[in-house]
This record gives sequence, C-alpha cells and structure tokens, in this order.
Amino acid sequence: DTAVSQTPKYLVTQMGNDKSIKCEQNLGHDTMYWYKQDSKKFLKIMFSYNNKELIINETVPNRFSPKSPDKAHLNLHINSLELGDSAVYFCASSFGQSEKLFFGSGTQLSVL
Amino acid sequence: KNQVEQSPQSLIILEGKNCTLQCNYTVSPFSNLRWYKQDTGRGPVSLTIMTFSENTKSNGRYTATLDADTKQSSLHITASQLSDSASYICVVSDSGGSYIPTFGRGTSLIVHP
Repeated sequence: DTAVSQTPKYLVTQMGNDKSIKCEQNLGHDTMYWYKQDSKKFLKIMFSYNNKELIINETVPNRFSPKSPDKAHLNLHINSLELGDSAVYFCASSFGQSEKLFFGSGTQLSVL
Repeated sequence: KNQVEQSPQSLIILEGKNCTLQCNYTVSPFSNLRWYKQDTGRGPVSLTIMTFSENTKSNGRYTATLDADTKQSSLHITASQLSDSASYICVVSDSGGSYIPTFGRGTSLIVHP
C-alpha cells in the first residue's frame, strides 16, 4: 500500500483555470507538507500542517490554498493558474517537524 | 540565514566505481542532517540521518559522514550500480524551532554501464 499518495500524477491545464491536487497518507503522521520542485530540481516548502493546523506558509501567493479536512489529508487548491506555476508538486508527511519526510510520487503540473 | 550547498552539481561515473558527494551547511543550531535519494519521476526517499554526535553511518553501499565542527557531510557510494542514478539531496534541520528543514539543490548522479 502506498504510504503517501497524491493525485493526479499529471495535470495539464490552461492559464486562468482552477485546479486541485489531493494528498493522503496512511502512516498515522501528524504533520503534512506541500513542496514545489522547479525545473532545476530545487525543492521548496510551500505549506506545513500539524494536526490540521497551518504552521508554515512560505510566501506563497494566496492563489494557493491548502485544505486539511483531517490529519491524513492535505489538499492543494490553485486558483487562476499562471505559466510560472508549472512545476512538480510533492506532498509529504512526518511525525512532528524536523523528522524524516515521506514523500508522495509528485504531481507534474503543466500550465499552457 | 540557513543554507545548504552541495557539490558537485552533477556527476557521471562508470558502473562499479565509487563516488563521494559533498554537503556544506550553515544551519544553526544544528539538529540533524539527512541524505535523500530521488529517482526520476519519484519523490525523495530518506537514505540516512546524521545527528550531532555521529561521525559515520552506513546503509548498505551508502556511507554518510558528518563533521559538525566544519559543518560538512559527505555521502560515499561504493561499487556503484545503474540503479544509483538519481538526485541526492542533503537536508539539514535546526533545533531552533523554525520547523523548516533547509534543502540543498541536490547532486545529479548518472551511472553508465
């Protein structure tokens, strides 16, 4: 069984559209994250939730809105998509902060 | 400002050869350092963790070292295999309550037959 699963794997959409990426973890972790990996493969944290509470929001445009309905889920909704949003988005989870991260397999978003 | 620098940026070696990847950091106060392996099209997977008191730790053909005085870590891969081709990312966490681990930009390793 996949520990951290995110869907969809690929997402191709037009500029200006709204899209969502879903993430679920079955590890019983209390902390979940969203990371953005740019074309140069650099992973940058976007959000972190601990027990459904937002604890990190790293200068991400407010077009990005994370939602955590429960500890096992952290979804990412993106409004008014822009070309610069094209990247691979990774969901991750851990037991507390500064602990080992378990990553999903990524969602490759292409904005045309 | 916390920073993690990795070198080289990319590396090409022949199957069976050894290689060493470097990580320098300025994260303070130091909590731990992890090496992650990211295969193409997959998420990163943790290889090893180094804490302040540890100098060397092995995980199969992977050996990580840590010098907390010089703030340097290395990842040595012995007898490389084609499956070692991946990006290797150094991640350093602080104990100062920032809760944001600092990522290096990774070293892209290609192992040729």
